Amino acid sequence: DIVMTQSPDSLAVSLGERATINCKSSQSVLYSSNNKNYLAWYQQKPGQPPRLLIYWASTRESGVPDRFSGSGSGTDFTLTISSLQAEDVAVYYCQHYYNTPFTFGPGTKVDIK
Amino acid sequence: EVQLVESGEGLVQPGGSLRLSCAASGFTFSSSCMHWVRQTPGKGLVWISRINNDGSSTTYADSVKGRFTISRDNAKNTLYLQMNSLRAEDTAMYYCATARGSNTHFDYWGRGTLVTVSS
Repeated sequence: DIVMTQSPDSLAVSLGERATINCKSSQSVLYSSNNKNYLAWYQQKPGQPPRLLIYWASTRESGVPDRFSGSGSGTDFTLTISSLQAEDVAVYYCQHYYNTPFTFGPGTKVDIK
Repeated sequence: EVQLVESGEGLVQPGGSLRLSCAASGFTFSSSCMHWVRQTPGKGLVWISRINNDGSSTTYADSVKGRFTISRDNAKNTLYLQMNSLRAEDTAMYYCATARGSNTHFDYWGRGTLVTVSS
């Protein structure tokens, strides 16, 4: 099974400042035949289900603000919130969908400093 | 608007059974791969099962293989999860989610239904 790790476990950022979350997979999730990274990012607010933010490691889902961006390839990935807003307080999860089981990272909690 | 509504919430004794449903609307259900994912405070999000668009292919996490069965009724736009031989560690919020293909991201999630396994 591919193991997903995230860092940090939590972070507190001032409004308007940048937040950076890292995700690492235990093996590459880059599929060579199509050069796509099988990696997604989700946001989960309290009492709500996860919401898709980013897929194929860097493609922003429709309706997601452009302050959210994803980068990385192979085994190392990053979710960046360029200018943190109050409504971004949530837990963020990375997930691979390279093969089953589709595992998730443990989550990173983002708060306002 | 895409809607996924889970039902079947309940308290069940260890060794018991429960069937969850996920009613889908707002998209072409019969073209979508569907998943069940569960979440506990201690273990985060855990994928447990996938079914392809016509129900001919299913996949399970090792933790539920042989105990849980995923199925779908495309005429009713409904996904199911039959859970047998339930254990305390199956206690979780259960979400259904859509995906455009077998190995793609999860586009939409339901709000979840809570399963508690306890004597």
